[in-house]
Amino acid sequence: EVQLVQSGAEVKKPGESLKISCKGSGYSFTSYWIGWVRQMPGKGLEWMGIIYPGDSDTRYSPSFQGQVTISADKSISTAYLQWSSLKASDTAMYYCARGMAGSGFDPWGQGTLVTVSS
Amino acid sequence: SYELTQPPSVSVSPGQTARITCSGDALPKQYAYWYQQKPGQAPVLVIYKDSERPSGIPERFSGSSSGTTVTLTISGVQAEDEADYYCQSADSSGTLVFGGGTKLTVL
Repeated sequence: EVQLVQSGAEVKKPGESLKISCKGSGYSFTSYWIGWVRQMPGKGLEWMGIIYPGDSDTRYSPSFQGQVTISADKSISTAYLQWSSLKASDTAMYYCARGMAGSGFDPWGQGTLVTVSS
Repeated sequence: SYELTQPPSVSVSPGQTARITCSGDALPKQYAYWYQQKPGQAPVLVIYKDSERPSGIPERFSGSSSGTTVTLTISGVQAEDEADYYCQSADSSGTLVFGGGTKLTVL
């Protein structure tokens, strides 16, 4: 079974750093893109960026360029999303999803809720 | 920046046909994808490449494309289809984008 399992919920203070993870299983991790999506409370889906673990090719949505860092460790089939200095406005659910050109993103991880509050 | 435009809400009675549209200038050249998201759950892909249906998705879900508009059609709507639906595509440079989402209400 193809599966993406994300790390657990986080509660952080403004200014703190954070790295959340997304572990793939049941498929060749290096042969598919992994995308990251933000969903703020009560709002829609927003693309943040995508990474191809096979060669670490990474592309960011203009809205998120410079705000987050996407990376992957293919040796452990895990992709990451990280912040160096969180803001309250980063409070959201974050999803990872597996993608391939022409096939859409499927499946999705269960989501990681990030809460940033003083 | 590139935008995909969806109606905020669509309402239908059980057994009727629901149509959700998504408009964008690059849609004639870029494939569209549709995702279903139920409350408290992760999104699920229901249509890819404008009109293809992934395995496991009921046949009542279909997609079509005409010019700058793509349409998700749900025939014989069931109560379990009540959810938010998002279209997704890319702009001319390949940057991925979602539509704003459409809340489907089954009356």
